Amino acid sequence: NAGVTQTPKFRVLKTGQSMTLLCAQDMNHEYMYWYRQDPGMGLRLIHYSVGEGTTAKGEVPDGYNVSRLKKQNFLLGLESAAPSQTSVYFCASSYGTSGRIAETQYFGPGTRLLVL
Amino acid sequence: KQEVTQIPAALSVPEGENLVLNCSFTDSAIYNLQWFRQDPGKGLTSLLLIQSSQREQTSGRLNASLDKSSGRSTLYIAASQPGDSATYLCAVRQEARLRDNFNKFYFGSGTKLNVKP
Repeated sequence: NAGVTQTPKFRVLKTGQSMTLLCAQDMNHEYMYWYRQDPGMGLRLIHYSVGEGTTAKGEVPDGYNVSRLKKQNFLLGLESAAPSQTSVYFCASSYGTSGRIAETQYFGPGTRLLVL
Repeated sequence: KQEVTQIPAALSVPEGENLVLNCSFTDSAIYNLQWFRQDPGKGLTSLLLIQSSQREQTSGRLNASLDKSSGRSTLYIAASQPGDSATYLCAVRQEARLRDNFNKFYFGSGTKLNVKP
């Protein structure tokens, strides 16, 4: 049971380049989330998904797109990277949104992205 | 918009000391509050989740309390150990409003704890 995995672990991009971050979970969770963590600002929700084929915007969605074609995978895309997107990106998943057990989020190890 | 504040930003204590970490939030219309631990270069691990109707939750040496009306939560760590050294984050799940039926999360920036041997 690998839990939540993220690839790549680290990436350097030039301004304007595109890339996709992959998140995979093997716990059969319905809900998946993408966050970014910046120094002194805590985590902020970018996009989330409440099930296969569904996605929705979080707190800071601009400049990002997501897809949930398979239940176990949640992809985060940057179409044209900007220096302001330099951050650590975390993926998380949970069973659902009701009850203590269902709501516990399991986090991946993070992807460090540097945009020059 | 909900704002979550954690004070202090960093804390250093000798091993064996009992300590309290603080979390405050501006909007009391929360669904629940969670405390997480984050080790350097790692993701977050959920420690305790308190529903809005509850006052506290306990797990081992950890006890989290919630005072929803005053917008405060505390994480009490008893008999601290060097292995407790990490960053502790609190997060509130906001009640859904109007047509937005998803309870949004808001995280504090964390308290970095160092427990000295």
